Order: sequence, then C-alpha cells, then structure tokens
Amino acid sequence: SAVISQKPSRDICQRGTSLTIQCQVDSQVTMMFWYRQQPGQSLTLIATANQGSEATYESGFVIDKFPISRPNLTFSTLTVSNMSPEDSSIYLCSVEGDTGINTEAFFGQGTRLTVV
Amino acid sequence: DAKTTQPPSMDCAEGRAANLPCNHSTISGNEYVYWYRQIHSQGPQYIIHGLKNNETNEMASLIITEDRKSSTLILPHATLRDTAVYYCIVLNSGNTPLVFGKGTRLSVIA
Repeated sequence: SAVISQKPSRDICQRGTSLTIQCQVDSQVTMMFWYRQQPGQSLTLIATANQGSEATYESGFVIDKFPISRPNLTFSTLTVSNMSPEDSSIYLCSVEGDTGINTEAFFGQGTRLTVV
Repeated sequence: DAKTTQPPSMDCAEGRAANLPCNHSTISGNEYVYWYRQIHSQGPQYIIHGLKNNETNEMASLIITEDRKSSTLILPHATLRDTAVYYCIVLNSGNTPLVFGKGTRLSVIA
C-alpha cells in the first residue's frame, strides 16, 4: 500500500491569491494524479503528473491556472492560481500502487479549499 | 474507458446485506470492474475489483454477470460505518487514472 500525506488539510483564502498544495508519498511512484471535487459532486481529474516531464492536463484545466510540479518520484505540488470562489473544492492527489496482480489507487485525505 | 450507470442512492438496514448494482454495457474484453467508496470527508478507498470471475475479500464480494455487462457489489453485513458514496469504475489495469461517475450514496440505517 501507499501512504499519502497532503498539506494543508484545509485553508481559507482570499480571492486573487494562490495556494500550493503538497502531496508526499511514502514510496516511489511513476505517476501521480490530481483531482478536484466540487461541493456535492464526484471527483474530476485535473492532471497527471509525471516525474521529469510536464503534467498532462484534462479538458477544461490549464497549466496557467493549475501549475503542477513533480521534482521527484515521491512528491508533487498543485497550485491553484488567482483563486475565485468557484475554486472552492476539495483537491486530492492519488497514486496507483501495483501489489502484484492487483492495481489499486490510493488517495490522500484531500485539501479542503474555501475561497472568500 | 467504458461508462457506468449506478442508482444515485440506496438505503440498507444495519446488519443486512447491501447489494449495489452497476451497469457497464459497453465494457471491453480487457477492462476490469473496480469499486471504490468515499466516506464523508475522506479520500476514496479501494474495495475490490474483478475481470470476469466473482471475487471476494475481507470487505465485500463482487458478482459479475456472465456477459460482463453488469455487476453487483455486496457488503454482506452492512454497518453504520459503511455509509458512503460507492463508485463503480471500469478501466484497463495499470497506470490509468480513475474516471469517477456520480456513484451510489449508500445510507446504512440503524
């Protein structure tokens, strides 16, 4: 299994500012994934973060708004830039572990962001 | 990845079996059926997955129809702590990000 630590667990931010969310994994993983969960909604994939290359963004998400860093195989950051109240969501990072014949995804506890 | 269809909500009495259905009629031959759940204020948690055979682990059982177009997650003795949103996802195994549908909100009632 993989243990994921996310920081901060929650924050209240002023509109127009930026917040960087950190994701630390206790083992080396090839890909890390960032999701957004808006209030009362399901999870939506923002981007896939590969070490040594630029992140791959899903439709509707752009690098200028959600820059991602992946400096090594155990760490990634997601920045929510120039925030507006519509960015209020839970942001989660995820990795996939390969436990032999099983491949399951592990998630952090999430960062609950409120923009005021 | 194939899409799935789940009922938006279900209730289950505590101690009874919870049977959560999922339709995945466009699943392809090399796609697995995965189940995750998300308890309030937590990240999603893996439950079980299968290809075509029924599977059982310490958390649940997964029953996949012979034509693989639908499946049922069974929690044999539901407890209040099983109250969560349950997501049925189909995908190829390995480094493919999960695509979440709306899931089923299961409420276990005392």
